[in-house]
Amino acid sequence: DADVTQTPRNRITKTGKRIMLECSQTKGHDRMYWYRQDPGLGLRLIYYSFDVKDINKGEISDGYSVSRQAQAKFSLSLESAIPNQTALYFCATSDLPLAGYNEQFFGPGTRLTVL
Amino acid sequence: AQSVTQLDSHVSVSEGTPVLLRCNYSSSYSPSLFWYVQHPNKGLQLLLKYTSAATLVKGINGFEAEFKKSETSFHLTKPSAHMSDAAEYFCVWDNYGQNFVFGPGTRLSVLP
Repeated sequence: DADVTQTPRNRITKTGKRIMLECSQTKGHDRMYWYRQDPGLGLRLIYYSFDVKDINKGEISDGYSVSRQAQAKFSLSLESAIPNQTALYFCATSDLPLAGYNEQFFGPGTRLTVL
Repeated sequence: AQSVTQLDSHVSVSEGTPVLLRCNYSSSYSPSLFWYVQHPNKGLQLLLKYTSAATLVKGINGFEAEFKKSETSFHLTKPSAHMSDAAEYFCVWDNYGQNFVFGPGTRLSVLP
């Protein structure tokens, strides 16, 4: 079974709808992240959480919110979806950077289309 | 601010020929650097990582990268391309786990 899972894998929705993307992990990591990928831009960080009580905005948090329901679960919400939020969304996890670096493990992605 | 540059948005090679994907970083810190690969419709997979040990890093599937501080570079190479190497490759900079900065990616095409 995959260590980091995302649901749904694909979603088509309409402008103005509320959408939730879910991420679950079985790696036992404290840190979780949400990124979006757009062609030619790489991945950009939306939100990250270093533990259940810690939520931080990333580079592009406007229009998004998150919830860390448990160590293993981190959800991303679009309160009122708009077409320029059409993208591929990735969840990632990492352990504490005890060795001084932060290897991240990625889910398979959710392709979101906002019409 | 820290940044990662991947000089080529698209590289095309013939099967069996060498691969070179270029990455430069901008940082005043000693970085940790990674290369990730993304195959079509797949998530990201770690290819290799540099964490201030050996400057020549070997990864999976025959890839390797050399960290050159004087050139602020971390180019990815492979002696002989295989069709299965066709994918998007991302160079990533990490500041001691505080943040993760992605380059824009290089799409590698492998021609038969």
